[in-house]
Amino acid sequence: EVQVLESGGGLVQPGGSLRLSCAASGFTFSSSAMTWVRQAPGKGLEWVSDISGSGGSTYYADSVKGRFTISRDNSKNTLYLQMNSLRAEDTAIYYCAKSPRGGAAHGMDVWGQGTTVTVSS
Amino acid sequence: QSALTQPASVSGSPGQSITISCTGTSSDVGGYNFVSWYQQHPGKAPKLIIYDVSNRPSGVSNRFSVSKSGNTASLTISGLQPEDEADYYCSSYTSSNTVIFGGGTKLTVL
Repeated sequence: EVQVLESGGGLVQPGGSLRLSCAASGFTFSSSAMTWVRQAPGKGLEWVSDISGSGGSTYYADSVKGRFTISRDNSKNTLYLQMNSLRAEDTAIYYCAKSPRGGAAHGMDVWGQGTTVTVSS
Repeated sequence: QSALTQPASVSGSPGQSITISCTGTSSDVGGYNFVSWYQQHPGKAPKLIIYDVSNRPSGVSNRFSVSKSGNTASLTISGLQPEDEADYYCSSYTSSNTVIFGGGTKLTVL
């Protein structure tokens, strides 16, 4: 079964850091671009970041550029999102998604259940 | 960059057709054939229903169809069914090498 499973969410103080992980299975991980998308409570979807299959190309939303870093370990079939200098507005469910055709621009066909990040003092 | 513009809500009766619009600019929707649509039921992860403007992933009903004219893409759901009640989001590639979503549309099946 093709699936992705996020972990690492939690409660963190403003200015703090958190690293999210996304374990993939059932598909050739290294051949697929991967994406992080977030959804603030009661709000719509927001694209956060993309990474190519090799990890050589990364892209970020302006709202997280310079604070978040996307990476992947293809030997472990795992995607990461390092989040630094967290702000209250980063509070959201963070979804990991598979982007088989070269990134979120071409559609994300497999989504995890999400991991919740809460930034609050 | 502002979100793509979608109506906040639409409604229809079972068996009817509804259309959800998604309006952007020439730097996103109008400039590329890279528009996707997602369906999200409450408490669930989004599900891809359309990619690259008009392609349906395997297993997605052909009751979902799309069109694009200028800076506006539209999703039409025909033969409405109760299980179609959900939130719908469009997304587009942008000239800044990013992806932007619409604000979402809540579909109510009366």
